[in-house]
Amino acid sequence: EADIYQTPRYLVIGTGKKITLECSQTMGHDKMYWYQQDPGMELHLIHYSYGVNSTEKGDLSSESTVSRIRTEHFPLTLESARPSHTSQYLCASSESHQRVKGVSGREYEQYFGPGTRLTVT
Amino acid sequence: KNQVEQSPQSLIILEGKNCTLQCNYTVSPFSNLRWYKQDTGRGPVSLTIMTFSENTKSNGRYTATLDADTKQSSLHITASQLSDSASYICVVSDRGSTLGRLYFGRGTQLTVWP
Repeated sequence: EADIYQTPRYLVIGTGKKITLECSQTMGHDKMYWYQQDPGMELHLIHYSYGVNSTEKGDLSSESTVSRIRTEHFPLTLESARPSHTSQYLCASSESHQRVKGVSGREYEQYFGPGTRLTVT
Repeated sequence: KNQVEQSPQSLIILEGKNCTLQCNYTVSPFSNLRWYKQDTGRGPVSLTIMTFSENTKSNGRYTATLDADTKQSSLHITASQLSDSASYICVVSDRGSTLGRLYFGRGTQLTVWP
């Protein structure tokens, strides 16, 4: 079981509210990721980070923002929640590519948190 | 376009029976393929991971196969248990970026009945 945590696990909130989804990992991983997953659908990468002060947008356009001030912490913020933001948000982390280069299969191994189920009414 | 297709979309089996889940992919250049188990309301947990040089890998009652030539993989579950009820996701990683981009299938929803 990976040491990656997400809070809250479930959140129901009204339209227009600002929310922050928390993600923390204790494995010292450089890379962290946020995915969005709708029921029965594949995970879509919305944000990722190579390390402190590094953030990038993923494949799926998202109105959310992220920050990476500390290695272990990668929060996701929605300034004004809308019903279209209703989804499950999964955080993941992995070791640096360079750190595990050459170790078969371990490159890119991502460990996932339990997810946050967000409902915007 | 890099894609990962899984079949069947859903499957119901009786406890104790075996089953096989399929995954076809077009991701290139290929780095590795992994199978994840995702319980309802939880994050995915890795079951197996295989590089192009490996064609089979087992993890307890789970056995994954990989044919890198045909770009197909399967996950075989033997002697199924009620706790095997979950979504099984095929994930393929490409070799073309330092990010290690993952391409996810939509999963096969397995239900094991007593």
